[in-house]
Amino acid sequence: DAGVIQSPRHEVTEMGQEVTLRCKPISGHNSLFWYRQTMMRGLELLIYFNNNVPIDDSGMPEDRFSAKMPNASFSTLKIQPSEPRDSAVYFCASSLNPLGFYEQYFGPGTRLTVT
Amino acid sequence: TQLLEQSPQFLSIQEGENLTVYCNSSSVFSSLQWYRQEPGEGPVLLVTVVTGGEVKKLKRLTFQFGDARKDSSLHITAAQPGDTGLYLCAGARGNQGGKLIFGQGTELSVKP
Repeated sequence: DAGVIQSPRHEVTEMGQEVTLRCKPISGHNSLFWYRQTMMRGLELLIYFNNNVPIDDSGMPEDRFSAKMPNASFSTLKIQPSEPRDSAVYFCASSLNPLGFYEQYFGPGTRLTVT
Repeated sequence: TQLLEQSPQFLSIQEGENLTVYCNSSSVFSSLQWYRQEPGEGPVLLVTVVTGGEVKKLKRLTFQFGDARKDSSLHITAAQPGDTGLYLCAGARGNQGGKLIFGQGTELSVKP
């Protein structure tokens, strides 16, 4: 079975540019999570969706960040305009919780560098 | 604020040694998970514990959930270089729709 797919794996961009990160969750999973990981702050939850609906976006740093999930098989995280402090590894994870165990399956991540 | 405190943050040991990583909180969790992350990859789920006092074994790894479901430990016996990585604990509360609270991680290095 295919796991969570993220693209691109690496992104280098200049400050002020728009960045779009993409995620395809595991087929059949009904929850999707976007995380950011840095050495200083560890793994931070940015936003998560249940059945394509955003449930909690309290972790989104500021209005420059936005996320969408137009259907059950695709989600995007957009940063506009990007800043050097946005440099991090961004992970997407998906989950199916029939028994309430909330186990999450992570993609390989997108390493973003903003210069 | 729900926090999961992991200790130690860094651990460097020789092959063959035993080690224990701790994950503590003042909050009760409906389940707790352990993940391992290797450089350049996403975290990979190792185990989920659900019942207070539960013990699960995965080869040389032993996971325990505290009786009150507020803490957990991971014990590795006879560590090997392949165990090197970042170990993360994550707790779930039943009323938060699948949201996990992650600890800050324990960076383990096992030297041959």
